[in-house]
Amino acid sequence: EAQVTQNPRYLITVTGKKLTVTCSQNMNHEYMSWYRQDPGLGLRQIYYSMNVEVTDKGDVPEGYKVSRKEKRNFPLILESPSPNQTSLYFCASSPGQGRDTEAFFGQGTRLTVV
Amino acid sequence: GENVEQHPSTLSVQEGDSAVIKCTYSDSASNYFPWYKQELGKRPQLIIDIRSNVGEKKDQRIAVTLNKTAKHFSLHITETQPEDSAVYFCAASSTDRDDKIIFGKGTRLHILP
Repeated sequence: EAQVTQNPRYLITVTGKKLTVTCSQNMNHEYMSWYRQDPGLGLRQIYYSMNVEVTDKGDVPEGYKVSRKEKRNFPLILESPSPNQTSLYFCASSPGQGRDTEAFFGQGTRLTVV
Repeated sequence: GENVEQHPSTLSVQEGDSAVIKCTYSDSASNYFPWYKQELGKRPQLIIDIRSNVGEKKDQRIAVTLNKTAKHFSLHITETQPEDSAVYFCAASSTDRDDKIIFGKGTRLHILP
């Protein structure tokens, strides 16, 4: 089954404690991205990647890091989480290269930083 | 860069009536315009999309129109049903450039019984 898998689904952590949210897709998609969803602000892009070893900042990259060492995985890293990073996070993938760009979303990760 | 504005932020319609959500975009290079539906507690999922070489597309009760000159596109839902209650996001992308998808802020649609 074609899918995007995020882990964990829920996470409560303390300020400053490094964490990683994993994202994996099994569709051989080239394009992957991370969004955060906050009430009234919609889906804001954090980082995106057009292919392996190619990443770029989205609209709200501060406080986040990503890596794309393999095509299927695109982890989101918070080196020193702060309360303003409490949010609902979605990973998404799409074929890229100008093809049908339907984005497939993961189930979401609800992060709370206290 | 691209900017997508979406209106209204909240919309309530009587069951059976029509709902219209409107979006504008700023980048004339955008050529792909998807719409996503997000039910409560779930992930966004594509419901319909339109490319810049088409003015209108319909899928059962859902239709999307695109006016490239004015840089706006709209989602139309006819004969609304309770299961249409959700948050709807419009988006714009340039598949000729970088595939980056920019989303609007979303519209919360309430279908009233």
